Amino acid sequence: DGGITQSPKYLFRKEGQNVTLSCEQNLNHDAMYWYRQDPGQGLRLIYYSQIVNDFQKGDIAEGYSVSREKKESFPLTVTSAQKNPTAFYLCASRAGEWDTQYFGPGTRLTVL
Amino acid sequence: RKEVEQDPGPFNVPEGATVAFNCTYSNSASQSFFWYRQDCRKEPKLLMSVYSSGNEDGRFTAQLNRASQYISLLIRDSKLSDSATYLCVVMLNTGGFKTIFGAGTRLFVKA
Repeated sequence: DGGITQSPKYLFRKEGQNVTLSCEQNLNHDAMYWYRQDPGQGLRLIYYSQIVNDFQKGDIAEGYSVSREKKESFPLTVTSAQKNPTAFYLCASRAGEWDTQYFGPGTRLTVL
Repeated sequence: RKEVEQDPGPFNVPEGATVAFNCTYSNSASQSFFWYRQDCRKEPKLLMSVYSSGNEDGRFTAQLNRASQYISLLIRDSKLSDSATYLCVVMLNTGGFKTIFGAGTRLFVKA
């Protein structure tokens, strides 16, 4: 089955810890995205990557980092510098410039 | 002003009702439009694209009004399973491609 997978589904973090969220796709899509969604709010773009070994900051990149070493993978690290990391994190990908985005099932991160 | 605005709702309707959502966008350079559906605690999923001439997919009809810069989604004969949040999505190219998601409109369909 082709699609986007994210792991883990639920993640609990202690304050001061870095955590990495996984995003993998086997759709052969060039572009990949990370969004954050807070309760009752819309999606906010964290980082995106149009091609391997290249990525750009989105609207709320502070406290986050990414890498794009492989076309299939776009992991997101939530660092201790992110002051309010508890949220629902969604990874997406798209095939071409005017194609719509397809989402993974998300990771729900909670800081204890 | 937000780039994409939606009435957050919630819309509470009985089964069988017809319900319509509107979405306005501020950038006239917007070129592609979509409706997504998001179930509670799940990821958004593409419901339908919105074409200039309007388009229909079963009980769902999408319309685009470029002059007034809004798109709409009409759901006929509402089902309990239509209960979800509906996101309006706009794509534009202003030197780089950009996708903007609305905050969504919540729909509850009651028996």
